[in-house]
Amino acid sequence: DQQVKQNSPSLSVQEGRISILNCDYTNSMFDYFLWYKKYPAEGPTFLISISSIKDKNEDGRFTVFLNKSAKHLSLHIVPSQPGDSAVYFCAASGLGSARQLTFGSGTQLTVLP
Amino acid sequence: DGGITQSPKYLFRKEGQNVTLSCEQNLNHDAMYWYRQDPGQGLRLIYYSQIVNDFQKGDIAEGYSVSREKKESFPLTVTSAQKNPTAFYLCASSISSAALGETQYFGPGTRLLVL
Repeated sequence: DQQVKQNSPSLSVQEGRISILNCDYTNSMFDYFLWYKKYPAEGPTFLISISSIKDKNEDGRFTVFLNKSAKHLSLHIVPSQPGDSAVYFCAASGLGSARQLTFGSGTQLTVLP
Repeated sequence: DGGITQSPKYLFRKEGQNVTLSCEQNLNHDAMYWYRQDPGQGLRLIYYSQIVNDFQKGDIAEGYSVSREKKESFPLTVTSAQKNPTAFYLCASSISSAALGETQYFGPGTRLLVL
């Protein structure tokens, strides 16, 4: 039973445009959400996070939005650059049995020059 | 220059052989983790350790073993009992053991292949 779902395995975007990566979760105990970026044959690198007390967190070109009622979060990258091409994982954690980080299956973003 | 190192980058295992993957961190982090990534899938937790001389099973611990004798080191042994060991193995660490879900920092990974 996947508690964190990334339903789009891939996304292609033109350079300079906005990339929107989506993530849905089912466990209402989750209260902390993270996005990681991963290049082939490398470990994931932490990108941005958001706590459930917020609905938006911004860091440069990256913004994460959280909609708790819909159990949905999204990562916006504006403007997209070719170097952003990577696999993006969302992850979630919370209280009790949800303490461990649970990862989605990832979305491959390709930014076309 | 702090970080997490994993070695080797590539590892080959023969049938019936145990192999050990190394993970070292100089970030002074209390908690360390081992994940496995298979193509098209997310990261699945194998084992984690919140403190020296203590570790807990994750979601897919069968066929694996770990030790945590030093704060800096968390080696993973893939035993012959692991029937499908071919995967990309990732080690991670986080600052404290207070919150397992806090931000984790990853090493570069080890690709394990079965001959």
